[in-house]
Amino acid sequence: KQEVTQIPAALSVPEGENLVLNCSFTDSAIYNLQWFRQDPGKGLTSLLLIQSSQREQTSGRLNASLDKSSGRSTLYIAASQPGDSATYLCGVNNNDMRFGAGTRLTVKP
Amino acid sequence: DGGITQSPKYLFRKEGQNVTLSCEQNLNHDAMYWYRQDPGQGLRLIYYSQIVNDFQKGDIAEGYSVSREKKESFPLTVTSAQKNPTAFYLCASKKRNSYEQYFGPGTRLTVT
Repeated sequence: KQEVTQIPAALSVPEGENLVLNCSFTDSAIYNLQWFRQDPGKGLTSLLLIQSSQREQTSGRLNASLDKSSGRSTLYIAASQPGDSATYLCGVNNNDMRFGAGTRLTVKP
Repeated sequence: DGGITQSPKYLFRKEGQNVTLSCEQNLNHDAMYWYRQDPGQGLRLIYYSQIVNDFQKGDIAEGYSVSREKKESFPLTVTSAQKNPTAFYLCASKKRNSYEQYFGPGTRLTVT
């Protein structure tokens, strides 16, 4: 059974810093990996989806990478802003999607 | 505006009562999913449906039931058999040949 781990569980940074969130998974036979943002009490918003054949995806200040063989993905956020404060979850797709517990990010003004 | 709606946003029930959570989508997606989220934990799959009139149990289906009579709708009933029903419930959907899931805003259920 796929196990997904996200480290760190919480992260606090000053505004303007670049940061990296980590996601690791145990079964490398995945179809794709999806990064989500969740604001308190809200649903999940899809940020980036990386297919298993891809190494990275970019959207604005966000860059997600995938190393399937080592079971890792990272989400890089450049020039962080207070509006980036949220919980970030990764979902890993084999036949169904498995989620990590998320990283709660706080960006201080 | 296409999307997934869940109602109500907050729901309160007494222990022993069944309660039904609504999920509607107008994205013309074939597959729909129900997840449960507890504090500090990832989402766990309750039930999913790939097509109308068909659904499958997820990892934590005990104490829950679903129906899929219409493509747009996938209601979840939390029965009195669910031992710890207080949680945040999320509905999602996706197109048939895609793996990208889209989520609704969630329903927070509190049972006392």
